[in-house]
Amino acid sequence: EIVLTQSPGTLSLSPGERATLSCRASQSVSSNYLVWYQHKPGQAPRRLIYAASSRAPGIPDRFSGSGSGTDFTLTISRLEPEDFAVYYCQQYGSSPPPTFGQGTRVEIK
Amino acid sequence: EVQLLESGGGLVQPGGSLRLSCGVSGFTFSTFAMSWVRQAPGKGLEWVSTIVASGTSTYYADSVKGRFTISRDNSKNTLYLQMNSLSPDDTAVYYCAKGVGYASSGALLWYFDYWGQGTLVTVSS
Repeated sequence: EIVLTQSPGTLSLSPGERATLSCRASQSVSSNYLVWYQHKPGQAPRRLIYAASSRAPGIPDRFSGSGSGTDFTLTISRLEPEDFAVYYCQQYGSSPPPTFGQGTRVEIK
Repeated sequence: EVQLLESGGGLVQPGGSLRLSCGVSGFTFSTFAMSWVRQAPGKGLEWVSTIVASGTSTYYADSVKGRFTISRDNSKNTLYLQMNSLSPDDTAVYYCAKGVGYASSGALLWYFDYWGQGTLVTVSS
């Protein structure tokens, strides 16, 4: 089972700033099959990025994903008020089971 | 518009049972794998179970294998999760999630493009 480790645990930033979130895998993720979700309290998780770098339909272009192998990054170029949430990475290259990182909380500074 | 609506959560005693349902609309239910994912209080997301489109194959996390059963009724556009022998460790918000389909190789893609808002299951005496 691939273990995903996200860092930092919490990111305190102001609107307009750039957010860089990391997701590191315990072994190489096959085909770079990694997805990023945004999750707000009481809401359904929302798919942002799939296959490491492909933006999902309807997702603003301030969200971008990069990386390969064991190291992946989600970047939010300029934080909007609605972007403050918890972000999870999930690998689907070696499934089942699909595994999630523990999440990074992006909070308002 | 794709919609997934979970129901059936609630308070149950340890050792008890509960059945969750997830009604869906806005897509052809019978052509997509469906899954359950849970989030324990203060914790991250944990995959629980997946059922393929036809219902002929099912998959479970080790933590629930032998206790939970996933099923679906394609005529009713509904996904189910029968949970038996519940323990406090099963306390969580349970989400149903729609699979995205298959890769060009024919392999199932194990991630989710739409999720419900979840239903809370509390296991406590």
